[in-house]
Amino acid sequence: ETGVTQSPTHLIKTRGQQVTLRCSSQSGHNTVSWYQQALGQGPQFIFQYYREEENGRGNFPPRFSGLQFPNYSSELNVNALELDDSALYLCASSFTGELFFGEGSRLTVL
Amino acid sequence: AQSVTQLGSHVSVSEGALVLLRCNYSSSVPPYLFWYVQYPNQGLQLLLKYTSAATLVKGINGFEAEFKKSETSFHLTKPSAHMSDAAEYFCAVRNQAGTALIFGKGTTLSVSS
Repeated sequence: ETGVTQSPTHLIKTRGQQVTLRCSSQSGHNTVSWYQQALGQGPQFIFQYYREEENGRGNFPPRFSGLQFPNYSSELNVNALELDDSALYLCASSFTGELFFGEGSRLTVL
Repeated sequence: AQSVTQLGSHVSVSEGALVLLRCNYSSSVPPYLFWYVQYPNQGLQLLLKYTSAATLVKGINGFEAEFKKSETSFHLTKPSAHMSDAAEYFCAVRNQAGTALIFGKGTTLSVSS
């Protein structure tokens, strides 16, 4: 039990829609990262938040955005969904650098 | 820039046999290296990590990995495979900024009885 919880676990959207994924970090962890894992691939870094500020971003377009709240929970927002956005979205929290992953939110874009 | 390459997308072993999953890295700075395991429909679980201390790193579930700078490798081994080891395994290196992990494409381990 890692303590990182994500919601929803599964969802289906259509092209052009917007989606919000949520993550509750493990107690005491002040850093949250988001990763996209396409089918058959390794996770790819989207961005990281530390104390409510984005402090690192991977090679993802601006339609991928995020928030971190004072309780260190986080949201990932994706606008104008494309078919290639279909993937497992993983949230990870950390305090001393070691990442603890949630079980992910599986997004299907039709 | 940092990167990792996992050799072999699929490895099959018999129960009780040696497990060897290969990972080579590229890094412009001393690397921090990790192995994660992912079971179906689950997130990633850390098996072990190398952070410039001992070159032989022991992890959970009987896994270990050896950092070899001369070979730029960080291969994962387990002396005796168990059916419960069947999963996807990912090698990763921390990026230079220390803000992210860069993952390989993964190796699927199958264990037969």
